[in-house]
Amino acid sequence: DTAVSQTPKYLVTQMGNDKSIKCEQNLGHDTMYWYKQDSKKFLKIMFSYNNKELIINETVPNRFSPKSPDKAHLNLHINSLELGDSAVYFCASSQENRGVGPLHFGNGTRLTVT
Amino acid sequence: GEDVEQSLFLSVREGDSSVINCTYTDSSSTYLYWYKQEPGAGLQLLTYIFSNMDMKQDQRLTVLLNKKDKHLSLRIADTQTGDSAIYFCAERAPRGGFKTIFGAGTRLFVKA
Repeated sequence: DTAVSQTPKYLVTQMGNDKSIKCEQNLGHDTMYWYKQDSKKFLKIMFSYNNKELIINETVPNRFSPKSPDKAHLNLHINSLELGDSAVYFCASSQENRGVGPLHFGNGTRLTVT
Repeated sequence: GEDVEQSLFLSVREGDSSVINCTYTDSSSTYLYWYKQEPGAGLQLLTYIFSNMDMKQDQRLTVLLNKKDKHLSLRIADTQTGDSAIYFCAERAPRGGFKTIFGAGTRLFVKA
């Protein structure tokens, strides 16, 4: 029973293409996130949704568009992929409405743009 | 991240204790976390401490918090080769809507 699952695990694509990464959590959490981890392992938050509502939107190019159809899902769509988008993208979730909860992470999607 | 700093590397021998240090800048931080990342995997929560505590122990793990110096440490007793991983310190503070800010991670190498 994977708590936070994201697909695909690996994604190799060419510059200019559009791609999506999907994330689902079965923990009943009310908040979901997308983080980007670069080649030096530095983690930076991109977006956060609480009960399907966008609450954190960092300085991310508008080629990146998150979509949350319901509390358990947060997908990430990327248009016109660039070489610099190559990274590992992590989905995470937490329970916030009863106090601040720790993040639970998926296993990541390694995106390689050629 | 600029708000949370950690040394990048630590090498220890199997059976020794490991101490990983972290400093943070936001004195209003309410929660401080340690996460572990193994190769090809996501981050796994190891332990966390509330800002009103100064120590927490959980089996081989001991977390020490010095709020005055904004210093957090993770001690792993009897370090094993399976403990080799990247350890991330993270803080949450009211600013920015309780965003979790991560350090750059400390790479722990355990020699047999």
